Amino acid sequence: SQQGEEDPQALSIQEGENATMNCSYKTSINNLQWYRQNSGRGLVHLILIRSNEREKHSGRLRVTLDTSKKSSSLLITASRAADTASYFCATAITGGGNKLTFGTGTQLKVEL
Amino acid sequence: EAGVTQSPTHLIKTRGQQATLRCSPISGHTSVYWYQQALGLGLQFLLWYDEGEERNRGNFPPRFSGRQFPNYSSELNVNALELEDSALYLCASSRGQEGYGYTFGSGTRLTVV
Repeated sequence: SQQGEEDPQALSIQEGENATMNCSYKTSINNLQWYRQNSGRGLVHLILIRSNEREKHSGRLRVTLDTSKKSSSLLITASRAADTASYFCATAITGGGNKLTFGTGTQLKVEL
Repeated sequence: EAGVTQSPTHLIKTRGQQATLRCSPISGHTSVYWYQQALGLGLQFLLWYDEGEERNRGNFPPRFSGRQFPNYSSELNVNALELEDSALYLCASSRGQEGYGYTFGSGTRLTVV
């Protein structure tokens, strides 16, 4: 099974609303990262949070990490139609170097 | 700065043939990673190269192989193609050390008929 699993699998919201996606993982990690993928193209790196950090912000993005629960959440505030994409979490497991294991993804649709 | 470039963009092969996919990393990045993304699914890890060496390999059969050249570019070879090999193959690069995000290419769409 996947190291990372996102929840929900799909999310549909109105423009201006906030979108929250969750990621759970199974093993000890060095860091967790979030990526966006538009229409089956390459992924774009959004944010990286290290295992000793609990929260990180970047623009309209807010990421939290709870290593005791082995979970992370990505919050996109004031969403826009351009945020429509698939979002993946990826984990660098302890002892695994910089290799990332990706989750199953959340498909976000932001409607006008 | 040029991004990660992958070629070709699309590739159509017949079952049983061989496919070669190429990737050029961002300047200064020594690590190259290959992932397979079947339609509608997540990314499955294939291979990781750093400084010319294979560092890790995913759970794929030996007919999936690759190499990294002295200029850090990389090649993925898939032999004896099967229909289920049809997928988007993504290459990414990063610095060799832990704690860096990946820069992805746009992928090669491989279709096996």
